[in-house]
Amino acid sequence: AQTVTQSQPEMSVQEAETVTLSCTYDTSESDYYLFWYKQPPSRQMILVIRQEAYKQQNATENRFSVNFQKAAKSFSLKISDSQLGDAAMYFCAYSWVYNQGGKLIFGQGTELSVKP
Amino acid sequence: EAGVTQFPSHSVIEKGQTVTLRCDPISGHDNLYWYRRVMGKEIKFLLHFVKESKQDESGMPNNRFLAERTGGTYSTLKVQPAELEDSGVYFCASSRIGQTNTEAFFGQGTRLTVV
Repeated sequence: AQTVTQSQPEMSVQEAETVTLSCTYDTSESDYYLFWYKQPPSRQMILVIRQEAYKQQNATENRFSVNFQKAAKSFSLKISDSQLGDAAMYFCAYSWVYNQGGKLIFGQGTELSVKP
Repeated sequence: EAGVTQFPSHSVIEKGQTVTLRCDPISGHDNLYWYRRVMGKEIKFLLHFVKESKQDESGMPNNRFLAERTGGTYSTLKVQPAELEDSGVYFCASSRIGQTNTEAFFGQGTRLTVV
């Protein structure tokens, strides 16, 4: 069975600095999708970034980038130039390639606080 | 375009009572998913509708949970009778069917507290 593990329940970063959130996963599939979702307090969860496993190039979205290590089954999220609005719960998630973005397996979440 | 909307945002009920959660997906999204996050743990998949049909209900915890999506539009998730361990945040998500652009959009969740 597929599993996703986020070993950092809480992280903190100074505004304008860089922070990396960790995520590891387990699967026997060779092709799949990985995601990072952000849930601000009392607000909807939104997709931050998506990585397709067959693509070797790490995905990037503005200040957000991932370090995808397929052999190590690691998928970390780097947030550069952290802003106060980045404070949120971050969830790492996995989905099967035939159901991309649909049925998701989530990690436990990492709560990120940003200090001014 | 309106996002995924969930009602109510909070619900506090006593053990043994019934609660019905509602999810209105984004218009045109045939896929609808229910998830649940119990305090401090991971978000777990409950079930998946394609239009009005249950595609996958492997995550439903037991027969006290009943999900419906009559007409393939909004969905309800009823818990009857509620138990203490049902407390958590229930999320709904919707997405299009297709090969591309099938990102799942989430609602803000319903926080259910059973006392």
